[in-house]
Amino acid sequence: DAKTTQPNSMESNEEEPVHLPCNHSTISGTDYIHWYRQLPSQGPEYVIHGLTSNVNNRMASLAIAEDRKSSTLILHRATLRDAAVYYCILTLGGTSYGKLTFGQGTILTVHP
Amino acid sequence: GAVVSQHPSRVICKSGTSVKIECRSLDFQATTMFWYRQFPKQSLMLMATSNEGSKATYEQGVEKDKFLINHASLTLSTLTVTSAHPEDSSFYICSASLLYSPNQPQHFGDGTRLSIL
Repeated sequence: DAKTTQPNSMESNEEEPVHLPCNHSTISGTDYIHWYRQLPSQGPEYVIHGLTSNVNNRMASLAIAEDRKSSTLILHRATLRDAAVYYCILTLGGTSYGKLTFGQGTILTVHP
Repeated sequence: GAVVSQHPSRVICKSGTSVKIECRSLDFQATTMFWYRQFPKQSLMLMATSNEGSKATYEQGVEKDKFLINHASLTLSTLTVTSAHPEDSSFYICSASLLYSPNQPQHFGDGTRLSIL
């Protein structure tokens, strides 16, 4: 199964942009790139997903490399409420169709 | 939109008790629901995938007779932990998806913290 690699932790200051990287060098052509985040003692929250083109929604932007081997989640102006664990996940075809396999994610700390 | 409600949020009970957790999609019909377990300081682990009207598909190593899943309608799935023991104490989380597809986001409940004494 294709896996993702993320930094264990990142820090940011409030009101500044945050770029969270994710490597997925073994991604296949039909795998979607999903991002979720989880606050302490809560279930994960869907953030954004994409296949090939960059995507924007009210929460964030997703920049996907041309070769699709990496992607970056962009929070345009970090707030204290954005402090969470961010998971970059590939949703796969084949026998793992549609399933989410969570890695350890990136712990984002936002400083006031 | 896309709200998933999970109940109860916390359960504390004695060893040997069976515990039922409900997962409801409030504003959409979910053909597929997923159940996860998360131990402290660890990531989520998928336990099973359930499709409305059919038997759940369990991940390797998850005992289907221990963790009974029923997906009786397009808005409700239940997980019953039978004869729970202290090692079953964990944070159980469900998610629901409109369609079973890699191109569909999953929407998560707020989780159930199960503590077995």
